[in-house]
Amino acid sequence: SAVISQKPSRDICQRGTSLTIQCQVDSQVTMMFWYRQQPGQSLTLIATANQGSEATYESGFVIDKFPISRPNLTFSTLTVSNMSPEDSSIYLCSVESRDRIYGYTFGSGTRLTVV
Amino acid sequence: QKEVEQNSGPLSVPEGAIASLNCTYSDRVSQSFFWYRQYSGKSPELIMSIYSNGDKEDGRFTAQLNKASQYVSLLIRDSQPSDSATYLCAVRSGGYQKVTFGTGTKLQVIP
Repeated sequence: SAVISQKPSRDICQRGTSLTIQCQVDSQVTMMFWYRQQPGQSLTLIATANQGSEATYESGFVIDKFPISRPNLTFSTLTVSNMSPEDSSIYLCSVESRDRIYGYTFGSGTRLTVV
Repeated sequence: QKEVEQNSGPLSVPEGAIASLNCTYSDRVSQSFFWYRQYSGKSPELIMSIYSNGDKEDGRFTAQLNKASQYVSLLIRDSQPSDSATYLCAVRSGGYQKVTFGTGTKLQVIP
């Protein structure tokens, strides 16, 4: 399965600022997925990032708040903009295995705390 | 109705026992089903995938799928304290293969 490097691993940010999270994959992948996991809850898909096209956002998530870049087949960034304490969460990037049989692999996650 | 439902637990089992984790899903055209293990403070780790009705075994783990009942389960035999974690059921369906996660079941294996 793919190996994903995600950074930063954690950050504490001031209200109103923005944070950009990076994910680097060790192989080329068509789609990358960004999830949020709020404390004590499951994973919620934010958006799907395809190389060469705009990201597809899930209901409740908008590009202005969570802009995504996907400049090539191995890299993506998610920015959390104009942060509020409600954005405190773990953010995870994920990719599908090459043969689509073995599910999805996750990065190590970014633990964000907004104060 | 939630798309993927799990009992949040905690499910407590003694060491050496069989742990049974259950999941139901709402989308009848769902195609792929996954079980992930998530230790506290860590990202989810895929442990099992299943696509056809019936059982699939891998070591101490057995996944069971019943599409007619829209039900998938995970059995862990000879449970170990190291199995203590949250187990997430995930279902893939939809046009671009969106994966939806359940809320997870917390398993505690008591030594």
